[in-house]
Amino acid sequence: QVQLVQSGAEVKKPGASVKVFCKASGYTFTRYYMHWVRQAPGQGLEWMGTMNPSGGGTSYAQKFQGRITMTRDTSTSTVYMELSSLRSEDTAVYYCARVAGILGTEYYFGYWGQGTLVTVSS
Amino acid sequence: EIVLTQSPGTLSLSPGERATLSCRASQSVSTNYFAWYQQKPGQAPRLLIYGTSNRATGIPDRFSGSGSGTDFTLTISRLESEDFVVYYCQQYGNSPWTFGQGTKVEIK
Repeated sequence: QVQLVQSGAEVKKPGASVKVFCKASGYTFTRYYMHWVRQAPGQGLEWMGTMNPSGGGTSYAQKFQGRITMTRDTSTSTVYMELSSLRSEDTAVYYCARVAGILGTEYYFGYWGQGTLVTVSS
Repeated sequence: EIVLTQSPGTLSLSPGERATLSCRASQSVSTNYFAWYQQKPGQAPRLLIYGTSNRATGIPDRFSGSGSGTDFTLTISRLESEDFVVYYCQQYGNSPWTFGQGTKVEIK
């Protein structure tokens, strides 16, 4: 069965960077796009970007351009999301989410990681 | 960017009642690219509906989706206790993928 297991909670100071991982299992890693979504405390869902694990291509939300980097390690079926220049407003739960299928009509998020809480505080 | 606006923000109903949640898009969205998610406290969102009206695996038939163009609806025919949580709409046809701000269904 498809599983997405994320790294544990992080506490960072303003200006620092954080790197969260999402380890996938139960399917062919390179076949399905992976996305990152975050949720600030008590707030809604915010799309951050996506990666094609096959070629490594990425697309980021404009809001995060210049601060976000998504990478992957195909040998361990793991995707990484690094966010730099952290500020208090980046305090949130960060989720990885895999699309349901390989067609455009299947690009809804069928599988989610458990979430990683990142707290930015001085 | 397609902005999705959900209404109402909070819906107060009793168990057994019918819930109607709305999501309006700032521009037309193909019915093939519209989804609804449910989120329980402390959990990741769960896919309910995709392609506007298709229930995801394991989703009870009291949940149904409809709509087209800029107006989409999630209907819960008879609310059960576990349904009193938050729901999000999403479009995935145009980048950036976007979500509505959520509708909380609470017990009246």
